[in-house]
Amino acid sequence: DVKVTQSSRYLVKRTGEKVFLECVQDMDHENMFWYRQDPGLGLRLIYFSYDVKMKEKGDIPEGYSVSREKKERFSLILESASTNQTSMYLCASRPTGRTPNYGYTFGSGTRLTVV
Amino acid sequence: GENVEQHPSTLSVQEGDSAVIKCTYSDSASNYFPWYKQELGKRPQLIIDIRSNVGEKKDQRIAVTLNKTAKHFSLHITETQPEDSAVYFCAASNFNKFYFGSGTKLNVKP
Repeated sequence: DVKVTQSSRYLVKRTGEKVFLECVQDMDHENMFWYRQDPGLGLRLIYFSYDVKMKEKGDIPEGYSVSREKKERFSLILESASTNQTSMYLCASRPTGRTPNYGYTFGSGTRLTVV
Repeated sequence: GENVEQHPSTLSVQEGDSAVIKCTYSDSASNYFPWYKQELGKRPQLIIDIRSNVGEKKDQRIAVTLNKTAKHFSLHITETQPEDSAVYFCAASNFNKFYFGSGTKLNVKP
């Protein structure tokens, strides 16, 4: 069973803090993604990565950065947290190429509150 | 880029009735369309998907239809049960990135 693990379920941080959200997958997937989920807006892509040390901006990258030093780990970094970054953050992974299941596997999510 | 619109945003049905959720997409290159179910407090889970070379796919009580010409696809749930209550997301993809709809909150009343 594919597992995508997000290190924290709930986080409360102060405005201006540097915040790290960690995501680890155990199925050797090449592709990893960070989304934020807000009511009425669905899931919006922040950053994604096709391979180690590789990253690409999604639709809403402002205020975020990422790191992928190892294939299994994809970190989302809020350089200086702001209240408008209060949200649910979902990590996902997916293999490359022709496989029976093309779909994402999601982590359980991290609910971040910035005060 | 791709734009996925999903309707309705909320849907309330009586147990045993059918539910239909509709999505449209803008990029004709999109060729893979998954549907996810997210129960309260849980991660989204893939429930069914369809590729662009297929017009319909069914799995027990759920089915998905795709009209490539009109660029829309729909999720159909028959004989709904209270455990079907959740938020449902559609998505469209032509490579690795998924573009999600805004979600439909389905409430099945016993």
